[in-house]
Amino acid sequence: DQQVKQNSPSLSVQEGRISILNCDYTNSMFDYFLWYKKYPAEGPTFLISISSIKDKNEDGRFTVFLNKSAKHLSLHIVPSQPGDSAVYFCAASAGSNYQLIWGAGTKLIIKP
Amino acid sequence: GAVVSQHPSWVICKSGTSVKIECRSLDFQATTMFWYRQFPKQSLMLMATSNEGSKATYEQGVEKDKFLINHASLTLSTLTVTSAHPEDSSFYICSARGRGVGGTEAFFGQGTRLTVV
Repeated sequence: DQQVKQNSPSLSVQEGRISILNCDYTNSMFDYFLWYKKYPAEGPTFLISISSIKDKNEDGRFTVFLNKSAKHLSLHIVPSQPGDSAVYFCAASAGSNYQLIWGAGTKLIIKP
Repeated sequence: GAVVSQHPSWVICKSGTSVKIECRSLDFQATTMFWYRQFPKQSLMLMATSNEGSKATYEQGVEKDKFLINHASLTLSTLTVTSAHPEDSSFYICSARGRGVGGTEAFFGQGTRLTVV
């Protein structure tokens, strides 16, 4: 049972445009969501997070939006840069349970 | 953010031998450490969760006797792949959470590429 879903295995975006990565979840107990970026043969790097009490969190070029009623979150990257090409993972956790539940990842390709 | 160091970054070993991977939290006390495995083009798969001073909790389908996890101190956890076989070849990643650090965020090591020949 996939509790966190990233339905797009890959996404190609022109440099300078907006990249939108989507994530859906099924467990209503999730109250904290995180996005990680991963380059090949490296560990994931934390990007941005959002608590369920918010619907938006912004950090520089990265903004995460949370729609609790739809159980959906998205990561917006604007403007997209070549260095943003990587695999992006959505993860969620519930309460004091520190275990992260991961999505399958979306490979983002930024075209010059 | 906090730093988690994983060593070695890559290792090649012969089939039947054992390999130990270390995961260290350099500037915080890691009360909980997680070990993941990633197959090509797949998501991170949680193998086990370890709390300092107690036995690791393994996910379903992960062989405890094959993947030995030790979390003996607040700064070090080790994963030993025993009697390695070619199908154990994979990318192994550790992550750590600590006291007063990062909230729910987990900090990741650089990962270890294991190749069993």
